[in-house]
Amino acid sequence: KQEVTQIPAALSVPEGENLVLNCSFTDSAIYNLQWFRQDPGKGLTSLLLIQSSQREQTSGRLNASLDKSSGRSTLYIAASQPGDSATYLCAVKDYGQNFVFGPGTRLSVLP
Amino acid sequence: DAGITQSPRYKITETGRQVTLMCHQTWSHSYMFWYRQDLGHGLRLIYYSAAADITDKGEVPDGYVVSRSKTENFPLTLESATRSQTSVYFCASSQLLGYTDTQYFGPGTRLTVL
Repeated sequence: KQEVTQIPAALSVPEGENLVLNCSFTDSAIYNLQWFRQDPGKGLTSLLLIQSSQREQTSGRLNASLDKSSGRSTLYIAASQPGDSATYLCAVKDYGQNFVFGPGTRLSVLP
Repeated sequence: DAGITQSPRYKITETGRQVTLMCHQTWSHSYMFWYRQDLGHGLRLIYYSAAADITDKGEVPDGYVVSRSKTENFPLTLESATRSQTSVYFCASSQLLGYTDTQYFGPGTRLTVL
C-alpha cells in the first residue's frame, strides 16, 4: 500500500529565506505527483504537477523535483514571503485511480 | 460563479441521522471525487466518479453512499451518521485523469456528528 510522508511537519522561517519541503513515497510506480497548497479553512489549490517521466517543474518562485527511484520529491520555495504561509501537501497518483496524500507541512513565514 | 462549490459549509447532526453533502461543478469535468480530511490521516479518498452513473470506491467508503445522475453534481450521503464520521469533507473534480490533469477542490464542508 502506498504511503506518503512529509518532513518537516511544521516550519517557521523569516521572510526572504529559501526553503525546501520534502515528500517521500513508498511505491515508485506512480503516475504523477502533485504539490498542493491549503490555506486555513479552505480547499486545496494545485501548485505543481510532475509527470512520472519528468524530473522537475517550475512555477514562479516554486520548483518541484521528482526522484522516482528513491521515492522522493522536494518543493523549493525561493525568497519566501508571508503570503506563502499555508499548509503544503504532496499527493501521488498510481496507475489505478488512487490518490494518496501526505499529511502536509505547515509553513509560517514571519515578516 | 464558475468553479466547484459545496453545501452546506458547516453541518452539525446527531448520531444515526442521514446527512447529504452536496457538490456542484460548472466545468463539466468528467471526474469527481470525495475526500475526508482528519488530523493524523491527511486526505483520504471516499468515492470517485468517472462520469454520470459511474462511481467507484476509494480507500474509506464504508458508511457512505454516492450518486451521480448529472455530470455537474456529486452528492455524498451518510446514511446513518456516526461520531467517527466527524471530519472535513472535500469534493474535487478533474477533466480527465491523464498525466497532466490536476484536481480542483471545493472549499470543504465541516461536519460534526454528536
